[in-house]
Amino acid sequence: QQQVKQSPQSLIVQKGGISIINCAYENTAFDYFPWYQQFPGKGPALLIAIRPDVSEKKEGRFTISFNKSAKQFSLHIMDSQPGDSATYFCAASRPDTGFQKLVFGTGTRLLVSP
Amino acid sequence: DAGVIQSPRHEVTEMGQEVTLRCKPISGHNSLFWYRQTMMRGLELLIYFNNNVPIDDSGMPEDRFSAKMPNASFSTLKIQPSEPRDSAVYFCASSFTGNEQFFGPGTRLTVL
Repeated sequence: QQQVKQSPQSLIVQKGGISIINCAYENTAFDYFPWYQQFPGKGPALLIAIRPDVSEKKEGRFTISFNKSAKQFSLHIMDSQPGDSATYFCAASRPDTGFQKLVFGTGTRLLVSP
Repeated sequence: DAGVIQSPRHEVTEMGQEVTLRCKPISGHNSLFWYRQTMMRGLELLIYFNNNVPIDDSGMPEDRFSAKMPNASFSTLKIQPSEPRDSAVYFCASSFTGNEQFFGPGTRLTVL
């Protein structure tokens, strides 16, 4: 059973455009929602994270929007750049695991065309 | 800071052979994680340790897989005997008490 569903599987955006990646979760015990960015040949790296006490978190061009009632959260990349081309993973974890046991989505491969 | 160090970076072996993957976490981190990444199943948590003690190994696929953390600066993931379906990229990650997980560069394993 996939606990975190991510879409789309792949995404092509023109330079300067907005990239939007969506995730939905089932387990209401999830209380921490990070996004990881992975470049080819590298390990994933934390990009931005949110806890459900806020509906939005922004860091530079990256924004997480969180809808607790719908059990959905999304990543928005404003002014997308070719250097943002990577695979993005959403994830979730529960406090009873110390937020250590991350459940990952299946990933979205983003290509930003010049 | 050197980050999480994994070795080898690439491993090609034949079915039935024993494979040992190694990880050195970031100094001062007290949690260590082993993940497997495949196209079919994505990124899966295999096992994680806290203060060198295995906390959750429910993601370990079967008895052929074992992991140890003899001290705070070293961990191994062993597959014995290896099978072609074990081919994947294996990542080690470390963190300090539930904070951001830092991933290593991964070991690409190919079992022929």
